[in-house]
Amino acid sequence: QLPLQESGPGLVKPSETLSLSCTVSVVSISDSSYYWGWIRQPPGKDLEWIGSIHYNGHTYYNPSLQSRVTLSVDTSKKQVSLNLSSVTAADTAVYYCVRDQWELLVRRFDFWGQGILVTVSS
Amino acid sequence: DIQMTQSPSSLSASVGDRVTITCRASQSISNYLNWYQQKSGKAPKLLIYSASSLQSGVPSRFSGSGSGTDFTLTISSLQPEDFATYYCQQSYNYRTFGQGTKLEIK
Repeated sequence: QLPLQESGPGLVKPSETLSLSCTVSVVSISDSSYYWGWIRQPPGKDLEWIGSIHYNGHTYYNPSLQSRVTLSVDTSKKQVSLNLSSVTAADTAVYYCVRDQWELLVRRFDFWGQGILVTVSS
Repeated sequence: DIQMTQSPSSLSASVGDRVTITCRASQSISNYLNWYQQKSGKAPKLLIYSASSLQSGVPSRFSGSGSGTDFTLTISSLQPEDFATYYCQQSYNYRTFGQGTKLEIK
């Protein structure tokens, strides 16, 4: 059983909203030391952090995407969700769900989901 | 924004070689620097965190050093399974990745 599992549509139309979910298992979603984040990687390109959310709802976003990104958390379902609005072909990427440890001396992405490819195309 | 610059962008080496990859931050990030390994078609894997701490389960041939703006990842003796792309990532202010270093077999 994978600790993090992404799910959602693999194809989204331009100008629409990309919506993905991440189910957290094995590890606790309510551990105060951790945020839950999303990272994406366009085909053949580099990694880009999108944003992270704490189980208490606190969020922080990549400033370059902030105007289009919304993260949410449902502790009862053990799920974290990503909404990215007004998508274009440039948003085509593999999207990874990650555990973002944020403590005084340790800040790292220590668990990763397997990733889900989302293609933006009409 | 903090920019992370890795060098080289690609590197050819042989099994048994000692390899060093460098990462430079555009401003001081203390030791909030992590290294990841990514193999083709797979999610990245954490190797080193806080600049020099080895993640659990990672072989000891991997090591990291540095503080402030300049950091290095060293693989002491390359193994066949080490050929991959390596990314540095800062966690001082938001999160930013370097552009990656592709390590190939010579």
